[in-house]
Amino acid sequence: GNSVTQMEGPVTLSEEAFLTINCTYTATGYPSLFWYVQYPGEGLQLLLKATKADDKGSNKGFEATYRKETTSFHLEKGSVQVSDSAVYFCALSEGSGGYNKLIFGAGTRLAVHP
Amino acid sequence: KAGVTQTPRYLIKTRGQQVTLSCSPISGHRSVSWYQQTPGQGLQFLFEYFSETQRNKGNFPGRFSGRQFSNSRSEMNVSTLELGDSALYLCASQPGGANTEAFFGQGTRLTVV
Repeated sequence: GNSVTQMEGPVTLSEEAFLTINCTYTATGYPSLFWYVQYPGEGLQLLLKATKADDKGSNKGFEATYRKETTSFHLEKGSVQVSDSAVYFCALSEGSGGYNKLIFGAGTRLAVHP
Repeated sequence: KAGVTQTPRYLIKTRGQQVTLSCSPISGHRSVSWYQQTPGQGLQFLFEYFSETQRNKGNFPGRFSGRQFSNSRSEMNVSTLELGDSALYLCASQPGGANTEAFFGQGTRLTVV
């Protein structure tokens, strides 16, 4: 079946450091790919998405490119802030047939220190 | 535009009891999905409802059920609660088409004692 694999955390960085969180997927067909973020005590917020190969999603300084050849969707940010501390989830959408079902990775906790 | 509303935010139940959680999606959204989040299993899909019909179901026992009303509000029910059902239950609202953005509520934290 379809699956998502993320790098294990926690990831600890100093403010203004470069961030990469790796995400690879296994899927049949052409799923859409997403990054969600979860702050303490909150639900999930969509950070960015890409719906086809070579699409680049971006939001709030975060970027990820849908790489079909490497089945990857790595999250990057050039300069992290303390406020970016959260858990990040990579996900794919099994949307064939009109259904909506998200398959999530295990999540990567990011801690940014001043 | 109001977001996704889940009630209650917190629940404490005893083993063997049953519980009902509620989700009000974004106005105009017809698809509601439910997810269970636990430290051990992560985020797992429970089921999706669209226009009052369950159209997709995850790999959970029959104790987990749900329904959707004509106004798209959804409820999920867990019967004969077990300790392992303790989790954050998240509801996601989508317009209805495939591969559309999912908007999540803040979740209901269920603790089974």
